[in-house]
Amino acid sequence: DAGITQSPRHKVTETGTPVTLRCHQTENHRYMYWYRQDPGHGLRLIHYSYGVKDTDKGEVSDGYSVSRSKTEDFLLTLESATSSQTSVYFCAISGDRRSAFFGQGTRLTVV
Amino acid sequence: QQQVKQSPQSLIVQKGGISIINCAYENTAFDYFPWYQQFPGKGPALLIAIRPDVSEKKEGRFTISFNKSAKQFSLHIMDSQPGDSATYFCAASGGGNNDMRFGAGTRLTVKP
Repeated sequence: DAGITQSPRHKVTETGTPVTLRCHQTENHRYMYWYRQDPGHGLRLIHYSYGVKDTDKGEVSDGYSVSRSKTEDFLLTLESATSSQTSVYFCAISGDRRSAFFGQGTRLTVV
Repeated sequence: QQQVKQSPQSLIVQKGGISIINCAYENTAFDYFPWYQQFPGKGPALLIAIRPDVSEKKEGRFTISFNKSAKQFSLHIMDSQPGDSATYFCAASGGGNNDMRFGAGTRLTVKP
């Protein structure tokens, strides 16, 4: 299995609080992605990174920010969590922008 | 704007039958079309992929058919087994794009 770890695996937070999810890889892959998975919507791209400090928005980026200060770490931040951000979040990595390896996911509940 | 459209949303097949899942894409710059398989509680895992310069790729019981002119591709699972019960995602990636886009997923149930 590709070396990719997401933390935390589960989190419950209150509306309005900031939340940071971490994705850590040991594969030295250039590309990293954050997706959210919701029933009926599949995997929707939030943000992605194509190098250290190089990031871009995906299709559902509102309310989220990301940072990548090191090759191995990609952080996803919810500045002020809302109930609509309750979801399962997946990090993925890729060395060639084509095939991806996914983490185990983070289940986030905003109450 | 959903760049990859997948159907059906759910599929029930008898053991030994053929499962067929369809996808359509919009961005012709994509040059890699993978399928991912996801079991409950796990992340998606790459199953099989195709490039647009071929019309079909087969790996064991899994086959991708690709129609470049129609911008469509499909996954066929032959001799479907209960262990194939999972959610399947099609995706589009590569070309001049740094991002990867996924379909909405198909929940496959294979009844014994």
